[in-house]
Amino acid sequence: DVKVTQSSRYLVKRTGEKVFLECVQDMDHENMFWYRQDPGLGLRLIYFSYDVKMKEKGDIPEGYSVSREKKERFSLILESASTNQTSMYLCASSSMPGRNQETQYFGPGTRLLVL
Amino acid sequence: RKEVEQDPGPFNVPEGATVAFNCTYSNSASQSFFWYRQDCRKEPKLLMSVYSSGNEDGRFTAQLNRASQYISLLIRDSKLSDSATYLCVVMRGSGNTGKLIFGQGTTLQVKP
Repeated sequence: DVKVTQSSRYLVKRTGEKVFLECVQDMDHENMFWYRQDPGLGLRLIYFSYDVKMKEKGDIPEGYSVSREKKERFSLILESASTNQTSMYLCASSSMPGRNQETQYFGPGTRLLVL
Repeated sequence: RKEVEQDPGPFNVPEGATVAFNCTYSNSASQSFFWYRQDCRKEPKLLMSVYSSGNEDGRFTAQLNRASQYISLLIRDSKLSDSATYLCVVMRGSGNTGKLIFGQGTTLQVKP
């Protein structure tokens, strides 16, 4: 069974704190993604990575950075959390094109509240 | 204008009803289309891909109209367990750097 895990289900942080969200997948997938999901806006892509140490900006990268040191792990970093980063954060992974790349497997999500 | 637009609903239907959701997309170069399902407080999961000729999976039928840039999902004989949010998804670009663009979702509530 495919598995994407995220380090926390719920997180409360203060404005200005540095926040790390961790995602691990056990499917040996090349591609990994970070989204945020907000009411009325749907899922929006923050960053993605198609290989170790590679990263690409998504549609809303401002205020975020990422790290992919190992194939199975993709971290999202909020350098200085702000209240407008309160959201549900979803990590996903998928395999290379030609092998159902469009099928993204999502983690359970991290609900982040920034006070 | 959003790249993928859906009516958020909610659609409230009785068990056994047939219900249809529509979705429009703005990028005429889009090549791949999907429906994902998201249960309340859960992660999205792929429901089905949408092919040009239309495709069916049990009670679910997906259709694509490229000329109108319109995708639909039809659910027949609705079950209580079909209650969820249905996300219309379009792939922007292709290959390794293709990205999925999600609509905001349409919420379905099936009542007994």
